[in-house]
Amino acid sequence: KAGVTQTPRYLIKTRGQQVTLSCSPISGHRSVSWYQQTPGQGLQFLFEYFSETQRNKGNFPGRFSGRQFSNSRSEMNVSTLELGDSALYLCASRTGPENTEAFFGQGTRLTVV
Amino acid sequence: KNQVEQSPQSLIILEGKNCTLQCNYTVSPFSNLRWYKQDTGRGPVSLTIMTFSENTKSNGRYTATLDADTKQSSLHITASQLSDSASYICVVSTSRAGGGNKLTFGTGTQLKVEL
Repeated sequence: KAGVTQTPRYLIKTRGQQVTLSCSPISGHRSVSWYQQTPGQGLQFLFEYFSETQRNKGNFPGRFSGRQFSNSRSEMNVSTLELGDSALYLCASRTGPENTEAFFGQGTRLTVV
Repeated sequence: KNQVEQSPQSLIILEGKNCTLQCNYTVSPFSNLRWYKQDTGRGPVSLTIMTFSENTKSNGRYTATLDADTKQSSLHITASQLSDSASYICVVSTSRAGGGNKLTFGTGTQLKVEL
């Protein structure tokens, strides 16, 4: 059974650009959550999607957005990139919001220059 | 405010030695607590899960304890190996009013095992 797949693994963007990250959850998992991880900050919750609907959202500006498709794959978009957006972006899938075990992907390392 | 605090922030030990990582939480209502291991540049992987009624659970050289009264958990690593070098993250699940479970993450303890 394939794990959570995130693409791309690494990305370098310039300030002001936008970026789209992709996450394919484990087959059968319908809940996808996104996290930003920076040194010293731990995992900061961005948002959670379940059945194509955003269920919960963290305290991030509107430049951060996401969506989920009917096959449960999810994308995250960051517009007008800032240097502070440089981080490891992790996607986690669960069977559903009622399940407490999250399976993480390898992450996308975003560097904004 | 629901929080999960871990200590120490970082730790360096010699190979073969034991160590204990701490996790204190204030989240409520409590569903369960998991310890994750995150190798550098990779996503976290679940090590153990502790429910309200469990005091101790082992997974190989990893032993987790839970004191639900004081809202504290610890992760004890026995006979450490170089491959134990990683970030260890405590995650507490709490049920949401609207259904489902919310995961609250600690900031992690960065462990380095040296020769």
